[in-house]
Amino acid sequence: QLQLQESGPGLVKPSETLSLTCTVSGDSITSASWYWGWIRQPPGKGLEWIGDNYNSGSSWYSQYNPSLRSRATTSVDTSKNQFSLKLSSVTAADTAVYYCARRGSSTGWSFDYWGQGILVTVSS
Amino acid sequence: DIQMTQSPSSLSAFVGDRVTITCRASQGIGKNLGWYQQKPGKAPKRLIYTASTLQSGVPSRFSGSGSGTEFTLTISSLQPEDFAAYYCLQYNSFPLTFGGGTKVEI
Repeated sequence: QLQLQESGPGLVKPSETLSLTCTVSGDSITSASWYWGWIRQPPGKGLEWIGDNYNSGSSWYSQYNPSLRSRATTSVDTSKNQFSLKLSSVTAADTAVYYCARRGSSTGWSFDYWGQGILVTVSS
Repeated sequence: DIQMTQSPSSLSAFVGDRVTITCRASQGIGKNLGWYQQKPGKAPKRLIYTASTLQSGVPSRFSGSGSGTEFTLTISSLQPEDFAAYYCLQYNSFPLTFGGGTKVEI
């Protein structure tokens, strides 16, 4: 059974960089045709896609939401079966529950497995 | 970006009611749409993908339809455990975008 688990600081100061990691168990992150993504949800609000990482042959590629104005960066650590998110220059507007999730062609391309989410608060 | 307009934003219903939620895309997305249910404090749970395919393990009272720009999620007979928020997601093109959500309340 695939499981995803977010980890990282729950409190980040304004203007600093938010860093989160998603640990995947039950499948290899390098398995073909999977996209590994990040989604966030401000308290009491809707869902926003942040970005995806995907493996095309021997290379990893990323796509990001332009609304984040190039503040988001994702990476993959295949040795630990993890992928990560960094969001720079955070403000209070970045306070949200952050989810990691998987999607792929064999499961209809929408996110099928999600982590439980981690609340990150931006405050001094 | 493709905008997903979801309606209504909230609704009140009774157990046993038939409930319909709509998502409209600002441009055609084929059948590249999923529906999610989210309960308080929990991650979203996928109900439907490719507009009308029921996720394994999801009760058959949930159904999805539509293509192009207009999509619906129908709950044929609302059950107590169905009171939750529902979201659509288009994955036809980047950036992926969610509808604003529908809160189904008693």
